[in-house]
Amino acid sequence: KQEVTQIPAALSVPEGENLVLNCSFTDSAIYNLQWFRQDPGKGLTSLLLIQSSQREQTSGRLNASLDKSSGRSTLYIAASQPGDSATYLCAAPGSSNTGKLIFGQGTTLQVKP
Amino acid sequence: GAVVSQHPSWVICKSGTSVKIECRSLDFQATTMFWYRQFPKQSLMLMATSNEGSKATYEQGVEKDKFLINHASLTLSTLTVTSAHPEDSSFYICSAGGQNTDTQYFGPGTRLTVL
Repeated sequence: KQEVTQIPAALSVPEGENLVLNCSFTDSAIYNLQWFRQDPGKGLTSLLLIQSSQREQTSGRLNASLDKSSGRSTLYIAASQPGDSATYLCAAPGSSNTGKLIFGQGTTLQVKP
Repeated sequence: GAVVSQHPSWVICKSGTSVKIECRSLDFQATTMFWYRQFPKQSLMLMATSNEGSKATYEQGVEKDKFLINHASLTLSTLTVTSAHPEDSSFYICSAGGQNTDTQYFGPGTRLTVL
């Protein structure tokens, strides 16, 4: 059974810092992993989707890596801004080819101006 | 990109009433839709997988008679919370997958408050 864990649960940094959010998963037989952003009271915004054949994906100041062998993924945010403040969720497939996602608990990020 | 809508975006109802939430894929056909629930300050928990033209598959611990799911077309799935109680108050989010199940598109969510 897939389980997804995110560390830390909360993070507060000053503006401009680079930071890393961690995600671990128990079942490494995944075909992809996704990172999402959720603002308070809102739905999910997809940030990055990493296929199992890839080691990383980049979008602007965001870089996500995937290491299936160790069951880990990281989301790197460069030069953080107050607008990056949100909860970041990683999600891994629950089982092959069913499409359902298992979410981590999320990391709530606060970037202080 | 693909767009998924939910209606209503929020709803307040009295205890004992039933509430229907719609999830629509606006510009693509979704053979599979998923319903998630999110309690305050918690993550999303999958409730059920909705497949077009067949019965939904519920996750362990989710009462199928309480959370009725209908996926009558390739663009619409509905979740009906029957005889709602205050403990059903939550944020309900749907997602839709196309032919490529690698990609899921999420709706904006529906906030249900049961008084």
